[in-house]
Amino acid sequence: DTGVSQDPRHKITKRGQNVTFRCDPISEHNRLYWYRQTLGQGPEFLTYFQNEAQLEKSRLLSDRFSAERPKGSFSTLEIQRTEQGDSAMYLCASSLGLGYTFGSGTRLTVV
Amino acid sequence: AQKITQTQPGMFVQEKEAVTLDCTYDTSDQSYGLFWYKQPSSGEMIFLIYQGSYDEQNATEGRYSLNFQKARKSANLVISASQLGDSAMYFCAMREVGAGGTSYGKLTFGQGTILTVHP
Repeated sequence: DTGVSQDPRHKITKRGQNVTFRCDPISEHNRLYWYRQTLGQGPEFLTYFQNEAQLEKSRLLSDRFSAERPKGSFSTLEIQRTEQGDSAMYLCASSLGLGYTFGSGTRLTVV
Repeated sequence: AQKITQTQPGMFVQEKEAVTLDCTYDTSDQSYGLFWYKQPSSGEMIFLIYQGSYDEQNATEGRYSLNFQKARKSANLVISASQLGDSAMYFCAMREVGAGGTSYGKLTFGQGTILTVHP
């Protein structure tokens, strides 16, 4: 097991386009979290899943954002009609017990 | 609401010296966990150390120790014998009780402290 994988590592998109990111957690981890991190700031929580159930969503997760974890394994985060303010690093983390393992993130640049 | 405050935007330390990074927190939960992560320029979040709210002893992991003062709601990270490779952003984070009262909820992060180690 190579840890938490995120794809793509970098994404440049034009304003108004839709983007989708993928996160593959550590296989036995039942909880999966998405965070957004802007430059020089700490990560901000977006949403989390326990197995396939989405248990909590931040108010940061506007109606342009949607996340899924259809089979309780990998997860996708989609941003529709991207805006320049969506430019950030999107981090995924997974957890089984006490600890959290983070992926390397997807850096989104909206131009 | 949970809140983590890191008041030091940047810290400098000489190689081989010790440094303390400050973290205060605010919560109404009785049970919570405190974490420190290191984020180098490459971007990955590296777990350093964990302290549970009911742990009576301060956590230690190699050169890292956590100075946990529950009454003051502080959880400062002490790095001993600093190395050049310690230069990075450091985040303090708190685990909340999860949705529906489950034990393991999201992490709330502070703003971070950039540590620079000078040779």
